Amino acid sequence: QQQVRQSPQSLTVWEGETAILNCSYEDSTFNYFPWYQQFPGEGPALLISISSVSDKKEDGRFTIFFNKREKKLSLHITDSQPGDSATYFCAASGNNNAPRFGAGTKLTVKP
Amino acid sequence: GGIITQTPKFLIGQEGQKLTLKCQQNFNHDTMYWYRQDSGKGLRLIYYSITENDLQKGDLSEGYDASREKKSSFSLTVTSAQKNEMAVFLCASSNRGLYEQYFGPGTRLTVL
Repeated sequence: QQQVRQSPQSLTVWEGETAILNCSYEDSTFNYFPWYQQFPGEGPALLISISSVSDKKEDGRFTIFFNKREKKLSLHITDSQPGDSATYFCAASGNNNAPRFGAGTKLTVKP
Repeated sequence: GGIITQTPKFLIGQEGQKLTLKCQQNFNHDTMYWYRQDSGKGLRLIYYSITENDLQKGDLSEGYDASREKKSSFSLTVTSAQKNEMAVFLCASSNRGLYEQYFGPGTRLTVL
């Protein structure tokens, strides 16, 4: 049973465009949602995170939008760069439960 | 800063063999995790340990054992490797009560 779902599975955008990556979850006790960036051959690295008390978190070109009622969130990457090409994972945790991860979105930014 | 070290980087085993993967962290984090990453399936939680003497099963614990030898180390054992099993095993750590995880580079397992 997939507790965290991500879409699309893969996404290609042109340099300078905004990439939008989607995530949804089922467990209403989840209250913390980190996004991780993974390059080939490396482990995931924390990119940006949001707690359920907020509806938006911004860090440079990366912004999370969170809709608690619909149990959905999205990661927006503005002015996408070729160096942003990676796989992005949405995770969810809460109530002392270990984080669960989505299947990931593979982003390709074409120059 | 800190680092998570996973050994070995590549592991090749035979069907039915018991295989052990090791993880060390110098963040002084309380909590450590093992995830399995298969292509297209994201990360699936195998075991985690909230503190030094704790062990919790994840969603994918069947076929695995884990051991938290001390605060800085957490090992994972594949009890009977399955033929054609290929995956990357990722170790992570975090402070207790916080969920910002730091990951190691992974151990790539191949079973012949």
